[in-house]
Amino acid sequence: EAEVAQSPRYKITEKSQAVAFWCDPISGHATLYWYRQILGQGPELLVQFQDESVVDDSQLPKDRFSAERLKGVDSTLKIQPAELGDSAMYLCASSLLRGPSEQFFGPGTRLTVL
Amino acid sequence: AQTVTQSQPEMSVQEAETVTLSCTYDTSESDYYLFWYKQPPSRQMILVIRQEAYKQQNATENRFSVNFQKAAKSFSLKISDSQLGDAAMYFCAYRAPQGGSEKLVFGKGTKLTVNP
Repeated sequence: EAEVAQSPRYKITEKSQAVAFWCDPISGHATLYWYRQILGQGPELLVQFQDESVVDDSQLPKDRFSAERLKGVDSTLKIQPAELGDSAMYLCASSLLRGPSEQFFGPGTRLTVL
Repeated sequence: AQTVTQSQPEMSVQEAETVTLSCTYDTSESDYYLFWYKQPPSRQMILVIRQEAYKQQNATENRFSVNFQKAAKSFSLKISDSQLGDAAMYFCAYRAPQGGSEKLVFGKGTKLTVNP
């Protein structure tokens, strides 16, 4: 069964360091989402891609976060510099189409900033 | 802005019994989508059930069903014949209508414990 892949699964870093997360969506899924899930909260969208184009990055802290999906397949989310408040689960999801297509989630990357 | 509220941080149920998880939401739209997602410990989030607001009939998926009350902006999830594998965090989510924002707006979740 096709799944969304994410790596690493866990990341511990010190504040002011740079971190990067990788996501490989289900093959053929054109839409890709990055969510951040703070402990005890529901996920919140950071950025949405349609193919290689950004559709929505209104909640992305652009002073320190960046995201790319250069060839419209896999994607990288970067934080530089990391801050203590960035500790969270970072979830990637993909869907076949835009619109109300089901979003399939990856296992997430648990980030701890010390 | 749309908001989703889950007022039950934790719920518990005996195996084989029925439990209902509550969700309310706020929107000015008339057409939208509602979802329940399940997030087991250390595993990915999976879709349990979805409801289109234009459909009056409540969605059902095997042991899972919803009670969608559009006027009250309520969307509860009923799990019948609870199983140990149902233990997880459950998130209610809202999505705007076609042409609007495509992000899912989630509630804070309800942790469900199933007792043997």
